[in-house]
Amino acid sequence: AQRVTQPEKLLSVFKGAPVELKCNYSYSGSPELFWYVQYSRQRLQLLLRHISRESIKGFTADLNKGETSFHLKKPFAQEEDSAMYYCALFPRAGSYQLTFGKGTKLSVIP
Amino acid sequence: GAGVSQSPSNKVTEKGKDVELRCDPISGHTALYWYRQSLGQGLEFLIYFQGNSAPDKSGLPSDRFSAERTGGSVSTLTIQRTQQEDSAVYLCASSRGTGEGYGYTFGSGTRLTVV
Repeated sequence: AQRVTQPEKLLSVFKGAPVELKCNYSYSGSPELFWYVQYSRQRLQLLLRHISRESIKGFTADLNKGETSFHLKKPFAQEEDSAMYYCALFPRAGSYQLTFGKGTKLSVIP
Repeated sequence: GAGVSQSPSNKVTEKGKDVELRCDPISGHTALYWYRQSLGQGLEFLIYFQGNSAPDKSGLPSDRFSAERTGGSVSTLTIQRTQQEDSAVYLCASSRGTGEGYGYTFGSGTRLTVV
């Protein structure tokens, strides 16, 4: 069975400081990894996916298969980045459901 | 429709009552998912529908929970004899197919409070 672990429930950083939201996963195969974001009073939405190798709103995430990690990073945090962030895993075989971590609440201090 | 629509947006019910939560997915999306979002617990998978196939009910926490999807479109999640621990936000998502993990579109959720 797959599992996603986000070790930090809450992460507070100052505006302009670097941000790293940690995500580790366990899965026997080769999964797809995602980051979803939920801003205050908004619905959950996709932020980025590992196979796209893109930068969205200044965020990037690299899949490290050796460490089974998919940490989300941004060099300079902005106040509007304050939100709940969820790491999610989609198996390429077997059950067809996204498995989410418990989420990390990012708070950017002005 | 333009997005996934859920109703009601908020529901307060007394312990022991039954509740029905509705999800209207994006037109043409064959896959529909229900998740439960609780404080500190993240998103918990409940049930998944794909076309006319038998649903994957592996995430339903007890037999008080059931869901159906009529005509491959609208879905209803029913919770019988509600308990206080059922209080959570119930999220629905749909996608075009089963192989598209990126294609999940979420609704805004139903906040259920059991008093």
